[in-house]
Amino acid sequence: GDSVTQMEGPVTLSEEAFLTINCTYTATGYPSLFWYVQYPGEGLQLLLKATKADDKGSNKGFEATYRKETTSFHLEKGSVQVSDSAVYFCALRGSNYKLTFGKGTLLTVNP
Amino acid sequence: EAGVTQFPSHSVIEKGQTVTLRCDPISGHDNLYWYRRVMGKEIKFLLHFVKESKQDESGMPNNRFLAERTGGTYSTLKVQPAELEDSGVYFCASSQVRDRGGEQFFGPGTRLTVL
Repeated sequence: GDSVTQMEGPVTLSEEAFLTINCTYTATGYPSLFWYVQYPGEGLQLLLKATKADDKGSNKGFEATYRKETTSFHLEKGSVQVSDSAVYFCALRGSNYKLTFGKGTLLTVNP
Repeated sequence: EAGVTQFPSHSVIEKGQTVTLRCDPISGHDNLYWYRRVMGKEIKFLLHFVKESKQDESGMPNNRFLAERTGGTYSTLKVQPAELEDSGVYFCASSQVRDRGGEQFFGPGTRLTVL
């Protein structure tokens, strides 16, 4: 079945540091890929998505590229801020409608 | 426009009791989903409604869980009787379309603790 493996945290960075959170997936066919973010006390929010190979999703300075050859969708940001502290979830949506999530990565950014 | 809302935000019950969680999707969204995150594990799909019909309930853990969506509006998820392993955060999501890239909008979740 479909599965998502993402780097386990927690990840602690200083403000303005570079961020990478690795995500790889297993799925049949051509899934859509997503990054969701959960800020403290809030629900999941879609951060970015990519629906086909080589697409790059981007939002709020975050980027991720759909790499079919490596079945990866790594999340990157060049300069993190304290406000980026949250839990980040990688997810895929296959031939059906339901989302398959990774375990989540807790990011803490210190000033 | 109001987002997906869930009630209650927290629930603490004893093993063997019954709990009912409620989800109000975004108005006009035909698709409604329930997910659950058990501590330290992945968020897992439970079931999917299209309007009032259950499209897929393959993720429901067992027959102690009952989901309904009367009239195709809000949905309830009842756990009866609750067991310790049911503790976790229950998320509801809704979407307007079912295409592969369609966004599911999530509620804040209900944190259920079974003692």
